[in-house]
Amino acid sequence: GPKVLQIPSHQIIDMGQMVTLNCDPVSNHLYFYWYKQILGQQMEFLVNFYNGKVMEKSKLFKDQFSVERPDGSYFTLKIQPTALEDSAVYFCASSWSKEDTQYFGPGTRLLVL
Amino acid sequence: GEKVEQHESTLSVREGDSAVINCTYTDTASSYFPWYKQEAGKSLHFVIDIRSNVDRKQSQRLIVLLDKKAKRFSLHITATQPEDSAIYFCAAVSNYNVLYFGSGTKLTVEP
Repeated sequence: GPKVLQIPSHQIIDMGQMVTLNCDPVSNHLYFYWYKQILGQQMEFLVNFYNGKVMEKSKLFKDQFSVERPDGSYFTLKIQPTALEDSAVYFCASSWSKEDTQYFGPGTRLLVL
Repeated sequence: GEKVEQHESTLSVREGDSAVINCTYTDTASSYFPWYKQEAGKSLHFVIDIRSNVDRKQSQRLIVLLDKKAKRFSLHITATQPEDSAIYFCAAVSNYNVLYFGSGTKLTVEP
């Protein structure tokens, strides 16, 4: 099926530093999403993005979080500064339309020390 | 907001038997219910979905049932095979295609 790539697969950083998670969505998809999964817990929606704008975000999407997709390149999630509670697996997804199936990447495992 | 509960955290069946995973949701506005499969160390893989205008959908060995009155939906895997072993996630979709996930069911198919 359609493939979404995520870079890096793992990232370890010190609290307070900045981190950027990269997502390469399915090539003709227009809607992009980030989800967060803390170990042993449910996967939770963070944000979705269309046409250069955030469409909806959850309360987990703190002020320290930002997303962008400059010039059709990677869809990125930036956390600045990071906190210990940001440690989780972050999944990117994309879909062709608002009502269409979302396809997920393999996740980036972020550990904040 | 929407809350999705996935009732079985683990499920073990013998090869060839059927497996059933049940989910409930709270938001009557939810209209789309996809299922995903996650094998160890891999990404979520879409398996099947159902929209609220039908109450049953089948794709080969997979059947999804939707009971909108009870706000309940289920995944039935018939004639299970060892390669069906994985974690299965149900989800309900509300506005802006936001997925609300269940907590996952670890299915083990024993030979």
